[in-house]
Amino acid sequence: EPEVTQTPSHQVTQMGQEVILRCVPISNHLYFYWYRQILGQKVEFLVSFYNNEISEKSEIFDDQFSVERPDGSNFTLKIRSTKLEDSAMYFCASRAVSYEQYFGPGTRLTVT
Amino acid sequence: AQSVTQLDSQVPVFEEAPVELRCNYSSSVSVYLFWYVQYPNQGLQLLLKYLSGSTLVKSINGFEAEFNKSQTSFHLRKPSVHISDTAEYFCAVSDPGQGAQKLVFGQGTRLTINP
Repeated sequence: EPEVTQTPSHQVTQMGQEVILRCVPISNHLYFYWYRQILGQKVEFLVSFYNNEISEKSEIFDDQFSVERPDGSNFTLKIRSTKLEDSAMYFCASRAVSYEQYFGPGTRLTVT
Repeated sequence: AQSVTQLDSQVPVFEEAPVELRCNYSSSVSVYLFWYVQYPNQGLQLLLKYLSGSTLVKSINGFEAEFNKSQTSFHLRKPSVHISDTAEYFCAVSDPGQGAQKLVFGQGTRLTINP
């Protein structure tokens, strides 16, 4: 069964450093998403991506964040200058024309 | 903006007992509703969904949820739980009229099954 994969599973970085979180969505899916979950809080929407452009972004998704689908298979989330409050679990999701979003296992980002 | 409330952060039950995890959402317009489950150290898995039609939806592992428009609820139930059902359960809503159809999640309910 096809699945969404994410790498790395855990990333530790120092404040101010750039990080890139990688996702490989399910191959025939058209819509791609990033969500995050700060420890003990709810899962929050960050951004959606369709037809090679951002279709919606939340208030969290400021200029420090960017997304890219560089090669038709990978979907990346970049944080340019990480802050302590960026520490969270980051989930990638994808969906086809149907309405179910399929989630990856997540990347735990720890900013020290 | 839509919001989802899961009234119970933790629900402990004994094995083979029934369970109900409550979910209420804020929107009064058409919605799609979902329950996701997160087993320890794993990602979110879709458990069941309501898009339209029958208000009672069922999963393959015995869970069911009922869409109640008048009460804006989508409670999850199982008549007899197993140890393997121990997980965190998230209720989520999306707006079918919105292109991206982002999911808005509740806080999650941690279901703990005791032998």
